[in-house]
Formats: sequence, structure tokens, C-alpha cells
Amino acid sequence: DAGVIQSPRHEVTEMGQEVTLRCKPISGHNSLFWYRQTMMRGLELLIYFNNNVPIDDSGMPEDRFSAKMPNASFSTLKIQPSEPRDSAVYFCASSLDRGRAPLHFGNGTRLTVT
Amino acid sequence: AQKVTQAQTEISVVEKEDVTLDCVYETRDTTYYLFWYKQPPSGELVFLIRRNSFDEQNEISGRYSWNFQKSTSSFNFTITASQVVDSAVYFCALSEAGYNQGGKLIFGQGTELSVKP
Repeated sequence: DAGVIQSPRHEVTEMGQEVTLRCKPISGHNSLFWYRQTMMRGLELLIYFNNNVPIDDSGMPEDRFSAKMPNASFSTLKIQPSEPRDSAVYFCASSLDRGRAPLHFGNGTRLTVT
Repeated sequence: AQKVTQAQTEISVVEKEDVTLDCVYETRDTTYYLFWYKQPPSGELVFLIRRNSFDEQNEISGRYSWNFQKSTSSFNFTITASQVVDSAVYFCALSEAGYNQGGKLIFGQGTELSVKP
């Protein structure tokens, strides 16, 4: 059974460019989470969806960040325009039953903004 | 508000030593879930265990064991006879089960465990 699939694994971009991160959750999972990991702030929840509907986006840093889940098998996290402080590892995770069940994480996207 | 504290930032042990990673949590909910995740040097996050707030029974899985004590709001993780492959960052996490909360998973800052041969 395939796990959570994220793409790309690595992204290097210049400040001001648009960045799109992609995630395919585990089939049958009804909750999807986007986390960001940095040395300074650890693992932060950015946004999560339940049945494709955004439930809590209070962790989204600012308007430059947006996330969509057009269907149960795909989600995107977009940063426009990107800034050097956005450099981090972005994880997508999926779960049955919101966060009560274990979250299964993808391998992450390492974003570097120069 | 939810909070998870892992006071030990780094721990270094020699192989075969036992080591305990501490986790203290704060929540107003009576129903919640606690988790431990492992992040090896390769970077992925691996689920280790989930505990709900009504189940205080300690759990053992091979060399791993977990001690959940509601009275002290702690969920500590012990590795017995540590091995080099246990070297990783370990995260404790909390999710409130209330329907309106939606199961948001909040992580501690992590404890980096280094097991030396």
C-alpha cells in the first residue's frame, strides 16, 4: 500500500518566485495535514483538511501561503511570492478520523529559497 | 490550550544503555490522544505509538516501552538496551479528541538521541 506521496523532494527557487508543493494522501484517509519543520520553530501545523474541507488554517503564516484540496486524492500548498524565511521542510500527512488516528507522513519537500 | 514539552533537547548514550525520553503535556480536554514519532537522520517521520487518555496501561513493544501517567501529565518513552540505529529525533505529540477541535496534532520540540557504539 503506497504511503503519502509528496513532490518534489527538493525545491530550490529564487525569492519572489511561486512555489507549489504537492501531496497525494493514502487512499481512504479523510484528513490531510500540512506541517512545516524548521530548526527554530520545530514542527508547526499550517493547515488541515477533513473530507477535502479546510478545518483550521490558523497556522498559515500569512497571505502568501495558500492550500487547496480539490479532491480526496490531491492537495497543494502554494507560496507566492516566496521569501528566504520560507526555507524549511514541508510535510504532508494523512489520517483516518482527523488526528485521533496516527498521522502517516510523506517524506517531505525540502524548500530552499535564495 | 494544548502544549507539549520535551525538556531534553539532546541525549547521548553508549550502546546498550537504557534511556528515557520525557514528555509533559498540557490540555483542558478530558479526552485526548498522545503519540510518539521517530525522525531518523533520513528525515522521514515514523509513527511509534498512540495512547488515548482513558488508557493508562503501560505498553511494551520489544525494546520500547511507554509510561503514561495522567496524574503528572507525562508520557515518557524508554528504550532498553539502546542501539546505534535508535539514533534519531523523537517527537511527542498531543491531539485533542473534541469534535470541534478536529484532532489537531501538536508536537513537542523533539529530543535528539545519539547512541554511540
